Amino acid sequence: GAVVSQHPSWVICKSGTSVKIECRSLDFQATTMFWYRQFPKQSLMLMATSNEGSKATYEQGVEKDKFLINHASLTLSTLTVTSAHPEDSSFYICSALRDRGLEQYFGPGTRLTVT
Amino acid sequence: AQTVTQSQPEMSVQEAETVTLSCTYDTSESDYYLFWYKQPPSRQMILVIRQEAYKQQNATENRFSVNFQKAAKSFSLKISDSQLGDAAMYFCAYRTRGWAGGTSYGKLTFGQGTILTVHP
Repeated sequence: GAVVSQHPSWVICKSGTSVKIECRSLDFQATTMFWYRQFPKQSLMLMATSNEGSKATYEQGVEKDKFLINHASLTLSTLTVTSAHPEDSSFYICSALRDRGLEQYFGPGTRLTVT
Repeated sequence: AQTVTQSQPEMSVQEAETVTLSCTYDTSESDYYLFWYKQPPSRQMILVIRQEAYKQQNATENRFSVNFQKAAKSFSLKISDSQLGDAAMYFCAYRTRGWAGGTSYGKLTFGQGTILTVHP
């Protein structure tokens, strides 16, 4: 159990367009979901924390108007990269916390390439 | 704010040998959690082992064990009988115990990572 999926796994988009990434907890309800960004051979950088039914809490330096996060239900959170630019190209990972538990369950990640 | 430092960008080990990955952290809290995560080439994050700060006993999971030195704020990971499948990037992570209603509840602070190569 405790599976988290992300869709799509890889997306290529043109500069100036928006792209949405979905994060779903498949077999549990996630009270809290986290979104991370990771560059090659680097650590995970937390972008924001989302709680179901409330606004996301963004980390310092993350543009909330550019990275829109919606936690619409206890099993789905979405990250929308608006007006994407090549510098937004990265690997985006979500994770989910079950019932305010101890362990975070990670999705497989989404590779975003902006051309 | 808490910080986590992994001072070894890369490590290598021969198959069947033992390797230790280092991690230090800085915190003013007395109760927290520490984790080691593995990220193989697939980039799927996998929990390797967890340590609760109030427990003095070092956590062990099969071939993986930790050396938790709370006073020194050190949390190293020992991999015994290394296997080719252990090759990955390893991250040390800190989590405050926090309270369920807080905005920082569940947040992980990651170290920079250590790339482990296993030689056959």
